[in-house]
Amino acid sequence: QQQVKQSPQSLIVQKGGISIINCAYENTAFDYFPWYQQFPGKGPALLIAIRPDVSEKKEGRFTISFNKSAKQFSLHIMDSQPGDSATYFCAASRPSGGYQKVTFGTGTKLQVIP
Amino acid sequence: EAQVTQNPRYLITVTGKKLTVTCSQNMNHEYMSWYRQDPGLGLRQIYYSMNVEVTDKGDVPEGYKVSRKEKRNFPLILESPSPNQTSLYFCASMIERGRTGELFFGEGSRLTVL
Repeated sequence: QQQVKQSPQSLIVQKGGISIINCAYENTAFDYFPWYQQFPGKGPALLIAIRPDVSEKKEGRFTISFNKSAKQFSLHIMDSQPGDSATYFCAASRPSGGYQKVTFGTGTKLQVIP
Repeated sequence: EAQVTQNPRYLITVTGKKLTVTCSQNMNHEYMSWYRQDPGLGLRQIYYSMNVEVTDKGDVPEGYKVSRKEKRNFPLILESPSPNQTSLYFCASMIERGRTGELFFGEGSRLTVL
């Protein structure tokens, strides 16, 4: 049972274009939605995150859009660069025993071509 | 430098030969966790630990063991590895209790079981 559904599995974007990755969830107990970025040979690292009381969060060229009623959220990468080529994981977390249990999407491999 | 260190980074072994993947963090985090990453399946939690001597199963615990005797270390043990445990493994620690759930990952251990 995939609690966080992510699409597309892979994405090719030209330099300067907009990359868009979508995620959907079912569990309304989720209260924090991070995105992780993973470069080849490295572990995932937190990129940007949002709470469900906010509809949008922007950090530089990266923007999360959040639609609470639809239980969907997406990552937009503006002016995509070859250095953005990586695997992106959306995630959703909920309180569990004093910590946050994090559930990941299946990942999107982004390739930005010059 | 704050980091999560895993060893070995690469390992090829044969079915049934016990192995241990070590994980150490220098951030004094209480929470640590193991994930496996497989194509199309994303990151799935194997085991986690909320403190010394406190461990619990994640989503895919079968065939694995863990221990938490010290706060900084959280080894993953495969008592009798099988080919379906061929995967990329990540250890992670989580910043602070009950907050955002940001995970800090190691660089990964690629395991092949023949």
